Amino acid sequence: GAGVSQSPSNKVTEKGKDVELRCDPISGHTALYWYRQRLGQGLEFLIYFQGNSAPDKSGLPSDRFSAERTGESVSTLTIQRTQQEDSAVYLCASTGGNEQFFGPGTRLTVL
Amino acid sequence: GNSVTQMEGPVTLSEEAFLTINCTYTATGYPSLFWYVQYPGEGLQLLLKATKADDKGSNKGFEATYRKETTSFHLEKGSVQVSDSAVYFCALNRPGNNRKLIWGLGTSLAVNP
Repeated sequence: GAGVSQSPSNKVTEKGKDVELRCDPISGHTALYWYRQRLGQGLEFLIYFQGNSAPDKSGLPSDRFSAERTGESVSTLTIQRTQQEDSAVYLCASTGGNEQFFGPGTRLTVL
Repeated sequence: GNSVTQMEGPVTLSEEAFLTINCTYTATGYPSLFWYVQYPGEGLQLLLKATKADDKGSNKGFEATYRKETTSFHLEKGSVQVSDSAVYFCALNRPGNNRKLIWGLGTSLAVNP
C-alpha cells in the first residue's frame, strides 16, 4: 500500500518480556518518527531517524527502549523487560515535505 | 521550551452547531502549526496546517488562523456534522531539520444528531 504500515496491530505481553514493533514507512520518505500515546494523554515523541541514523533519541523513556532503522526503510522499536507503564499505542510516522503521515499504530498491553 | 495547550474535552455539540477548539502554543522561532484528527478506530490524519503568521489553514469546512500576536491556532467550523465526531490534536513542529511534532493532549468532540 501507499501508506505507513505497522505491525502487529495489537500486542499483549507479560511483564518482563521483550517486544518488537515494526514500522514500514512510505517509500522514499527519509525521515521517520516514533511516538507513544498513553491512554488519556497526548502523544509523546520517542525517537527520530534521518535515513538510518537517529540524531534525536531524546524521547526514549529509559534504556529498555531502543530502535533501529535499516535500508532507509523499515524501523523496529524494541522494548526490553516490559513494564505495565509501557502499555500504550505506539505510532510511527514518516515525512513527506512538511507533513507527517501516520501509521495505524500498535496497541501494546503489558499484563 | 516548546509546548501546546488545547482546551480540554469532551466537547458535545448538536449537529449544525458552531465549533471552536482553542489551541495556544509556546515556541522559540517560527514553528509550523497543525491540526490532526483521529476518527474512531482510525489513525491520525492531518486536517490542516499553517506555516507562517497570519496563514489560514482550511479543510473539510474547518479553519484555523496562525496568530503570532496571541500565539494561538484555534480550530473552527461553522456547522458541525455527526461525522465530525473525533479527537482533534493541535501540534507544532520546530523549524530546522528535526521536525518532530509537539502535541496538545487532544480534544474529544461528539456531535449528536
